[in-house]
Amino acid sequence: KNEVEQSPQNLTAQEGEFITINCSYSVGISALHWLQQHPGGGIVSLFMLSSGKKKHGRLIATINIQEKHSSLHITASHPRDSAVYICAVNPIIQGAQKLVFGQGTRLTINP
Amino acid sequence: ETGVTQSPTHLIKTRGQQVTLRCSSQSGHNTVSWYQQALGQGPQFIFQYYREEENGRGNFPPRFSGLQFPNYSSELNVNALELDDSALYLCASSYPGTPLQTQYFGPGTRLLVL
Repeated sequence: KNEVEQSPQNLTAQEGEFITINCSYSVGISALHWLQQHPGGGIVSLFMLSSGKKKHGRLIATINIQEKHSSLHITASHPRDSAVYICAVNPIIQGAQKLVFGQGTRLTINP
Repeated sequence: ETGVTQSPTHLIKTRGQQVTLRCSSQSGHNTVSWYQQALGQGPQFIFQYYREEENGRGNFPPRFSGLQFPNYSSELNVNALELDDSALYLCASSYPGTPLQTQYFGPGTRLLVL
């Protein structure tokens, strides 16, 4: 079982719909990241969370440390939001500040 | 634009060959991590370098090695290439000093081993 699990793996929606992507993890963490990866491969950091909720434009990220669960929401979705969204965590370990990634959620927004 | 660049963007090699991938980080970012992303999967941690020393390693064999240089550039070297090494290789740099680090990713190098 992976330390970070995302659901769904694939999501197709119509423009304007409210989108939710979920992430569950099984290890103690110091932070959780939501990342966006476009088809060319480049990864952009959207949020870094250690508690509560963050909002940036139409994107909202929440985390529940006790339940080891985070969600990424997109309001008023748009075709340009189509990308792979990846959840990643910083495990509480000594040494390397590595990231452990989920497998990603491929989001397609149709016009 | 993250300020992290990687070269080359694409590369084709044959099994058994050796490859060197390069990453140039932002000035002051003295930690660099390398990740391997197979098609359809999330990235996997290969190793991290901090101030030119290896600072942690994932579950990758010794034929994966790295170097970090004082000018914030780094290399990933893979010897004796295998077909399963075909993947997108990502580097990410960060500036340590707080427990919570934002990592800045390069665009990746896509390696195909035939």
